[in-house]
Amino acid sequence: DTGVSQNPRHKITKRGQNVTFRCDPISEHNRLYWYRQTLGQGPEFLTYFQNEAQLEKSRLLSDRFSAERPKGSFSTLEIQRTEQGDSAMYLCASSLRSANTDTQYFGPGTRLTVL
Amino acid sequence: AQSVTQLDSQVPVFEEAPVELRCNYSSSVSVYLFWYVQYPNQGLQLLLKYLSGSTLVESINGFEAEFNKSQTSFHLRKPSVHISDTAEYFCAVLNTNAGKSTFGDGTTLTVKP
Repeated sequence: DTGVSQNPRHKITKRGQNVTFRCDPISEHNRLYWYRQTLGQGPEFLTYFQNEAQLEKSRLLSDRFSAERPKGSFSTLEIQRTEQGDSAMYLCASSLRSANTDTQYFGPGTRLTVL
Repeated sequence: AQSVTQLDSQVPVFEEAPVELRCNYSSSVSVYLFWYVQYPNQGLQLLLKYLSGSTLVESINGFEAEFNKSQTSFHLRKPSVHISDTAEYFCAVLNTNAGKSTFGDGTTLTVKP
């Protein structure tokens, strides 16, 4: 299966620690997205890349959050000085942007618990 | 700006009954429309999508949705549900000129025997 993969699947950390998540998109996809999902809500957009360029960041993405996609392939999402409010499922998606479609395919997510 | 409203947060139905999950959207530009399904502790799986052309789209497991531009709706239907259809369903819109999707808050479909 060559779908979107995310690691780790679960992360438990103490408040104030830094955490980093990795996303590997579908290989030919040029766009990569990060979303955050809390219980009982739909995914909320955080940021997205086209190749290695970060094209948009949500206001939800505070200064403690940073995302990279250095070679236009995998991406990392880092959260510094984690807070309990950061506890959520972090979802990655990828797509192949073309003239008439931009369908996003999601990975299994990384569930973050901040104690 | 765009927004998505899923009108029912929970829909309980009996097995083999028909079901409709309602989705309305608001956008000032043209959009693509999607339905995703999410099983517990998993990511989102694409169920079906409307990009252009026929306003009625179907999935491989019997779901269908109809794009209604005048009513800005994209309701999901299935004529006969199974226990295995129990899951969370999300409606999403994508600005055809932008990257991010906007999701509704989801509808929990519970199919009872």
